Amino acid sequence: EIVLTQSPGTLSLPPGERATLSCRASQSISSNYLAWYRQRPGQAPRLLIYGASSRATGIPDRFFGSGSGTDFTLTISRLEPEDFAVYYCQHYDSSPPMYTFGQGTNLEIK
Amino acid sequence: QVQLQESGPGLVKPSQTLSLTCTVSGGSISSGRYHWSWIRQHPGKGLEWLGYIYYTGNTYYNPSLKSRLTISVDTSKNQFSLKFTSVTAADTAMYYCARDSVFYSGSGTSFALDVWGQGTTVTVSS
Repeated sequence: EIVLTQSPGTLSLPPGERATLSCRASQSISSNYLAWYRQRPGQAPRLLIYGASSRATGIPDRFFGSGSGTDFTLTISRLEPEDFAVYYCQHYDSSPPMYTFGQGTNLEIK
Repeated sequence: QVQLQESGPGLVKPSQTLSLTCTVSGGSISSGRYHWSWIRQHPGKGLEWLGYIYYTGNTYYNPSLKSRLTISVDTSKNQFSLKFTSVTAADTAMYYCARDSVFYSGSGTSFALDVWGQGTTVTVSS
């Protein structure tokens, strides 16, 4: 089973800054099977990025996903107030089908 | 625009069966383009995928929970459901249903959960 480890656990930044969130897989995975979600307090998660780098519908271009192999990054340029939330990376395993999530990064206002 | 809504009892007694339903609106569960998933989140914790179902009834479950979990679909009602047997306090969580989509690009096929319900809180307590 693939284990995803996100870092840092908490990231404190002021609005307008750039945020860099990391997701490391326990073994090499296909970029196609890596996604990112944002979860605001009291809300359901929302898909931001699929296929490691493709933005989901309605996601602004300040969200940028990158990476390959075992190391993946979500970069958020110019942090907006609504961006302060918890972010999860997720891996899809096709055989057998299975979704696993990282433990999350809490992006908080500094 | 597709929307998902979870429903079910907010309180379940230990050892009983937890039953939840997800109603899909704005689109057909039988379209064949999607799987339909259940995910849960323990209080203050991360996300745990429970399993998913296709409109034909084909299912896949998280192996760690498979023995207690059943997901079913009712295409006539545009709903899918979850049953969790022999619950304990450890099953207290927010339960979400979500649409599992396939995305095609030049680099291949991707899978992700692109539409979520708002979630329903389930507490297991006597």
